Formats: sequence, structure tokens, C-alpha cells
Amino acid sequence: KNEVEQSPQNLTAQEGEFITINCSYSVGISALHWLQQHPGGGIVSLFMLSSGKKKHGRLIATINIQEKHSSLHITASHPRDSAVYICAVYYGGSQGNLIFGKGTKLSVKP
Amino acid sequence: EAGVTQFPSHSVIEKGQTVTLRCDPISGHDNLYWYRRVMGKEIKFLLHFVKESKQDESGMPNNRFLAERTGGTYSTLKVQPAELEDSGVYFCASSLAGGYTEAFFGQGTRLTVV
Repeated sequence: KNEVEQSPQNLTAQEGEFITINCSYSVGISALHWLQQHPGGGIVSLFMLSSGKKKHGRLIATINIQEKHSSLHITASHPRDSAVYICAVYYGGSQGNLIFGKGTKLSVKP
Repeated sequence: EAGVTQFPSHSVIEKGQTVTLRCDPISGHDNLYWYRRVMGKEIKFLLHFVKESKQDESGMPNNRFLAERTGGTYSTLKVQPAELEDSGVYFCASSLAGGYTEAFFGQGTRLTVV
């Protein structure tokens, strides 16, 4: 069983909808990343957080350390948000030794 | 400023051949990481360089994989001899030194072993 679980695995939304992607992890962590991978493969780091909430444009990431859970929200979704969103946790081992979720494939229809 | 760049973007080789992947990190980034994603699986950590030294290579799958970072700048990941199960996307990332900082990823190299 993977130590980082994401849900849903696939998500289809209509343009303008509010989207939530969830990430649960089973180990104590020092930091959690949300990453975005577009068709074509490149990965972009969206957020790195260890507590509370961060916001960047239409993206909001929250984390609850006690519940070992994080959410990524997208407000007013747009077709260009279509991508795979990946949660990865850093549990304090060697820097960069992240445990990744399998990703959530988001498709936003116009 | 250039981001993390990887070469080639795609590579198709036959089983038993050798392939060398290259990663150029962001200038000034001491930390360099290699990851890979095989079909249907999550991304897995391979190893971590600090400058030219291997800090953690616990994720390297076997001794057919050799990573180097001579001079502490660009890094290469050689697979010799390649096997079918080595097919996947290999990502490189880099980050600044000093504590845990955000990593910047490259576009990845898609390796197909036939």
C-alpha cells in the first residue's frame, strides 16, 4: 500500500467549477508538495507547505498535520488547468527523498 | 534564467544497449535529484547529489544504474545494460543549499527500451 494516497484518481469538471483534490499520508512528515504535470510531461512545483494554508492565484492548498491530510483547491477552473496533480511528502530523511502519490488526472471541459 | 534542463527528451533503445541521460540544474543549485516514473506507478526517488557528492542513493534500483555529477554542475544517469523494465520517465530536479527548500523539476526524459 502506497504511503501517500490521492483521491480521486480521475476528475472531470466543467469550466468554472470549484475543484478539490485530496491527499492522505500515513507517516509523519516535515513538508508536503503539490506538483502539476502537464501533457508533455514537465513537472511544476505548485506549493510546498508544512502547516496551515497557502494561496497562489486560483489555487489554494491546505494541510492538517494531525489528520495527515492535505487538499488542493482550484477555484473557477479553466481548461488550461487540465493536468495531473501530484502530492508528495518529505518525511525528514535525505533531502529530496520524497514519497509520491500516483496523481490525480484532472480534465476541465469548456 | 534557465530552468532545469534534461537531454534527451525522448530515447528509444534496444534491450542490452546503453543510454546516458543528462540533467543541467539551475545555476547555483547545489542539490540535484533524480526520480523516475515507470508505467502505471508513482514517481520514485532515485538519488540525491550535494554538489559532486552522492548524499543518498537509496532509491537506485540496481547496479546497472550509474549516476555522476563531476564538478558539481550537470549530472548524468547511465543505464547499462538497459532492460525492458527500465522504461519510464526520468525526472531531474534541483534546489538551493541550506535546509529544506523547494525543488525545481526538469521536463523529464522518456526512455523506452524495446
